[in-house]
Amino acid sequence: NAGVTQTPKFQVLKTGQSMTLQCAQDMNHEYMSWYRQDPGMGLRLIHYSVGAGITDQGEVPNGYNVSRSTTEDFPLRLLSAAPSQTSVYFCASSYSRRSGPGKYNEQFFGPGTRLTVL
Amino acid sequence: LAKTTQPISMDSYEGQEVNITCSHNNIATNDYITWYQQFPSQGPRFIIQGYKTKVTNEVASLFIPADRKSSTLSLPRVSLSDTAVYYCLVGYNTDKLIFGTGTRLQVFP
Repeated sequence: NAGVTQTPKFQVLKTGQSMTLQCAQDMNHEYMSWYRQDPGMGLRLIHYSVGAGITDQGEVPNGYNVSRSTTEDFPLRLLSAAPSQTSVYFCASSYSRRSGPGKYNEQFFGPGTRLTVL
Repeated sequence: LAKTTQPISMDSYEGQEVNITCSHNNIATNDYITWYQQFPSQGPRFIIQGYKTKVTNEVASLFIPADRKSSTLSLPRVSLSDTAVYYCLVGYNTDKLIFGTGTRLQVFP
């Protein structure tokens, strides 16, 4: 298994540009999420999904859109990039709560996308 | 959501045991306690999870008192490679998994 993959690894945008960060997992996980991590800070939840077709907002959803058309993919769209969105973005996945806490709480994280907005 | 509080940073020396405590006063009955480790420039990695009493695996031990309002991650005989940020998460009833600020552990030779 490749686990959780994220593309691109690095990206530089200009203010106002839009882009999509890709996230894919091959573990048949129902739960997927996006976090951002600013330099020297903790992780903040942007959006999450408990299954295909279902998404919800996390702590810091403004400026980001998500969709979940398949179990495997959970792309994150920046609508109009701003310098405040300069951060490292991590995608994570896990089994659903129906699988029990032992599987649900073990999230697998991708390697991250480092985004700079000028 | 159960809010967690951890020390911002801790220092240790190689070979020592390190205990990192997390407070979660409003933990719910069904909540589990999960710890993650994050190295610089990497995503977090699951370490251990527990509900009550003590859980041990090949990496760490997790101690949870009867009232479950706190938990302690114990790393035996740390090495330089244990230098990382450690996060405590509490949840199971919610799909909104919130990380706290974490504890930055620095291990010195």
